[in-house]
Amino acid sequence: DTEVTQTPKHLVMGMTNKKSLKCEQHMGHRAMYWYKQKAKKPPELMFVYSYEKLSINESVPSRFSPECPNSSLLNLHLHALQPEDSALYLCASSQESGGRRYEQYFGPGTRLTVT
Amino acid sequence: KQEVTQIPAALSVPEGENLVLNCSFTDSAIYNLQWFRQDPGKGLTSLLLIQSSQREQTSGRLNASLDKSSGRSTLYIAASQPGDSATYLCAVRTGTYKYIFGTGTRLKVLA
Repeated sequence: DTEVTQTPKHLVMGMTNKKSLKCEQHMGHRAMYWYKQKAKKPPELMFVYSYEKLSINESVPSRFSPECPNSSLLNLHLHALQPEDSALYLCASSQESGGRRYEQYFGPGTRLTVT
Repeated sequence: KQEVTQIPAALSVPEGENLVLNCSFTDSAIYNLQWFRQDPGKGLTSLLLIQSSQREQTSGRLNASLDKSSGRSTLYIAASQPGDSATYLCAVRTGTYKYIFGTGTRLKVLA
């Protein structure tokens, strides 16, 4: 099983709302990532969790708050977003040891629209 | 600072053609290079992963090469099909958990 799942598929939220994005993988990967992708641009790294600890925060505004409750789950909590935060949010995971180490697997993404 | 560029930005070819997509990176100190395809509005599908010690990887009609010293990778697609139409992205792993993506090549294969 090489699947990363993300929910919801689509999300529309107002600037005062609080919402969360969810990501799940059952491949035993110990690194999990959040990326943001704007239209016709490559993905940009936001956060990385390694062994459930935050390893990388690419200077992301505090209105985005990541959480890794366990080794299979990754959440992204959203609060007081701006219209320019509208994008495709992608979750990924990677295996950090063994034969296919460092290969990233991506989920289908959550299309976020901030109104 | 690592920069990853893909040329061409867009490509249209008739069905059945063999084609080559290019990926260039400015810093040869990479852990690996991974090729992905992305359909419009969808996530990324991993195609091939080349570790820094490898020169080539093959999967079906796809072949990817890596020349670290010159900062280049190519993705060769044999006998292209309309279903190959997508955006192709390369990504280099530059450090622990750090990946830099290329600018992408939008491929259209005409039936």
